[in-house]
Amino acid sequence: QQQVKQSPQSLIVQKGGISIINCAYENTAFDYFPWYQQFPGKGPALLIAIRPDVSEKKEGRFTISFNKSAKQFSLHIMDSQPGDSATYFCAAHTAGTALIFGKGTTLSVSS
Amino acid sequence: DTGVSQDPRHKITKRGQNVTFRCDPISEHNRLYWYRQTLGQGPEFLTYFQNEAQLEKSRLLSDRFSAERPKGSFSTLEIQRTEQGDSAMYLCASSVAALQETQYFGPGTRLLVL
Repeated sequence: QQQVKQSPQSLIVQKGGISIINCAYENTAFDYFPWYQQFPGKGPALLIAIRPDVSEKKEGRFTISFNKSAKQFSLHIMDSQPGDSATYFCAAHTAGTALIFGKGTTLSVSS
Repeated sequence: DTGVSQDPRHKITKRGQNVTFRCDPISEHNRLYWYRQTLGQGPEFLTYFQNEAQLEKSRLLSDRFSAERPKGSFSTLEIQRTEQGDSAMYLCASSVAALQETQYFGPGTRLLVL
């Protein structure tokens, strides 16, 4: 049973465009939602995270939008660059458990 | 470098052999996690430690797998009698207990079982 569903599986965006990756969850006990970025052959790197008491968090070109009632959250990458080409994972956490990850989105930013 | 480190980075072994991986967490992080990642999937939780105590094990952690963190610092993950299905990236992450959700990952050990 997949607790965090991520879409799309892959995404191609033009340089300078906006990349949007979506995640949906089922467990309302989740209280922390991070996004990780992973380059080939590397471990996941924490990118940005949000808690359900806020609807949006922005860090540089990266923004998380959070919709508690819909149990959905998304990552927006503004002004996407070729260096952003990587696999992105959403995850969810509740106290006493490990992170539960989505299946990932492979982003390719074309120049 | 003060991040999470893992050794070795790559391991090729024959089916039936035993392998051991090491993880050194970020200094003063008292929680240490092991995850497994297969191609095209997100990391899946295996087990975690708080200091030297192993607090949780996933059902993915079969009897052939054992993890230790004897002094509450580095950890080892051993796989006995490896099978081809064990081929994956084994990731280690660490956090402080007060911010257990903020986990920092190492570069992983990629295991290939022939």
